[in-house]
Amino acid sequence: DAGVIQSPRHEVTEMGQEVTLRCKPISGHDYLFWYRQTMMRGLELLIYFNNNVPIDDSGMPEDRFSAKMPNASFSTLKIQPSEPRDSAVYFCASSNVGGQGISYEQYFGPGTRLTVT
Amino acid sequence: GENVEQHPSTLSVQEGDSAVIKCTYSDSASNYFPWYKQELGKRPQLIIDIRSNVGEKKDQRIAVTLNKTAKHFSLHITETQPEDSAVYFCAASIGGFQKLVFGTGTRLLVSP
Repeated sequence: DAGVIQSPRHEVTEMGQEVTLRCKPISGHDYLFWYRQTMMRGLELLIYFNNNVPIDDSGMPEDRFSAKMPNASFSTLKIQPSEPRDSAVYFCASSNVGGQGISYEQYFGPGTRLTVT
Repeated sequence: GENVEQHPSTLSVQEGDSAVIKCTYSDSASNYFPWYKQELGKRPQLIIDIRSNVGEKKDQRIAVTLNKTAKHFSLHITETQPEDSAVYFCAASIGGFQKLVFGTGTRLLVSP
């Protein structure tokens, strides 16, 4: 398996533009997570899905952020309009939970480095 | 809300020494505690994890201990090597499920 795939790897955009980040989870994994990493705030969970359904979006910073998972092999994180403070590395991760709700390893993608000027 | 505190923020050791990183968590329902290593410009990668029904787990030079009563868990690296230099993150599951809250990270520097 190629692991979690993210695109683009780098994105530079101007303030006010729409940004779409993409993620392909590991085949067979039923959980997908979007994280944001910055020096100031560390690694923050934005939203996660189980079987394509959003479970917890309490980490989404504001209405400018939205995420979708139309099928088991694809998810997007969209920022519209983008602002300079959105500059960060965005990671997608996937995992496969075992029985009785016991958590298992989250596999991270390579990340998308977003710069908003 | 739920949080994970991690100490120290930076740790410098000489090659061959041991390194210990400590974390505390607040959610008594947490049942899964992974440790991730992140090298500069790379993705976080799991190095070891422990579940709440176990007090200690070891994998070669790396070990993790868990004290559920005190809500503490620690990462121990023995015989450190320069390639151990990286940022290490602890995490705890929230509500016993998949959601993880990460600590703020420890930058470990191992000098030859």
